[in-house]
Formats: sequence, structure tokens, C-alpha cells
Amino acid sequence: DVKVTQSSRYLVKRTGEKVFLECVQDMDHENMFWYRQDPGLGLRLIYFSYDVKMKEKGDIPEGYSVSREKKERFSLILESASTNQTSMYLCASSQRGDRYSLYFGPGTRLLVL
Amino acid sequence: QKEVEQDPGPLSVPEGAIVSLNCTYSNSAFQYFMWYRQYSRKGPELLMYTYSSGNKEDGRFTAQVDKSSKYISLFIRDSQPSDSATYLCATPCSNSGYSTLTFGKGTMLLVSP
Repeated sequence: DVKVTQSSRYLVKRTGEKVFLECVQDMDHENMFWYRQDPGLGLRLIYFSYDVKMKEKGDIPEGYSVSREKKERFSLILESASTNQTSMYLCASSQRGDRYSLYFGPGTRLLVL
Repeated sequence: QKEVEQDPGPLSVPEGAIVSLNCTYSNSAFQYFMWYRQYSRKGPELLMYTYSSGNKEDGRFTAQVDKSSKYISLFIRDSQPSDSATYLCATPCSNSGYSTLTFGKGTMLLVSP
């Protein structure tokens, strides 16, 4: 079974803190994604990566950065957390030959106070 | 107009009912459509995908695309309480020169025993 794990299920941070969300997949997938999910807004793509050290902006990259130093790991960084970044963050991965079959992690619910 | 639109629901049905979940899309060039299911407090999981027009059946689930009206549907026969979840339609869209999935906001389905 494909497994995508995220470092935390719940996280509480203060405004201005630097926040790291880690995602690891164990199926040698080339593609990795970070989405956020908010009520009434649905799933929105923040960043994606189709290869190691490669990153591309999604629909809402402002206030975020990412790092992909290893194939299995994709990190999302909130440089200076703000209250409007309170959300559910979902990491996903897919293989190159079937890029739209996404495997999602369980999500990290982030609260910024 | 968003690429993919969905009624958020909730849609409440009794056990055994036939369920119809629907999405509309804006770009007639879209050819690949997917349905994801998301249980409460979990990440989405791929349920079905269809390519171009026509139907695809998998057990109690049927996915249908009507390109003339830009309408995609997911039918669930003999619905069960375990089908209670949020259903998201998705289609690939161009993003920074790459193609990534854009999701509808999801329809919440509640199947009562």
C-alpha cells in the first residue's frame, strides 16, 4: 500500500513563527503536492514538485515555500505564520506515469494564534 | 468562473437510495475527469476516473461524462451508510506550464440507516 505520512496531525503556532510541515511517501513517486483545504473554498494547490530539487508554484503560493532535497520528502514552510494560514494542509504524491492518481496523507490541521 | 463547480450539499438520503452527485466544468477541452472520496478527518482517496465521454462502472459506482453540456456525474446504487463522505470531482488544468489537478469544492453525502 502506498503510504503518505505527514509529520503532525495537529499543530498550534503563534503569529510570526516559522513553521515546517513535513511529508514523506514510501512508494518512490516522482510527483509531490501540497494542498490546503478550507470550508467553502475546497482544495487549493500551494506548490508541487515533479522531481527532486524541482518546485513549481500552484494557485496560492504566497506566504509559503517548499523544499525537496530527497525524492521521498517534500516540506512546506510557512516563513512567518499568519492567522489566515490556519487551515488543513494535505500532502499528496503520484507516480510519473499516472500523475493524476494522487495519494493523500492524513492531513495536518494547523492553527495559528 | 472556476474550472470545476460542485454543489456543496449536504445531500441526505436513506440507505438503499440511488445517489447522483454532479459537477459542471468550464473548459470544453477538458478530457479527463476524476472522483475522489474523502471521509471525515482523512485525506481524499481516488475513487474513479473517466476519460472523455461515456460511462465507467465499478461495482455500485458509475461515473458519467456529458461533454455536450460539460457535466460530470457520479451515481451510487444501493447507497450504504459507509458511503457517507465528501465527494470531490477533479480535472487536470494547466498550471505554470504543467498540468495539475483542479478540484471542485466537494459535495457532502449523508446516508442514513
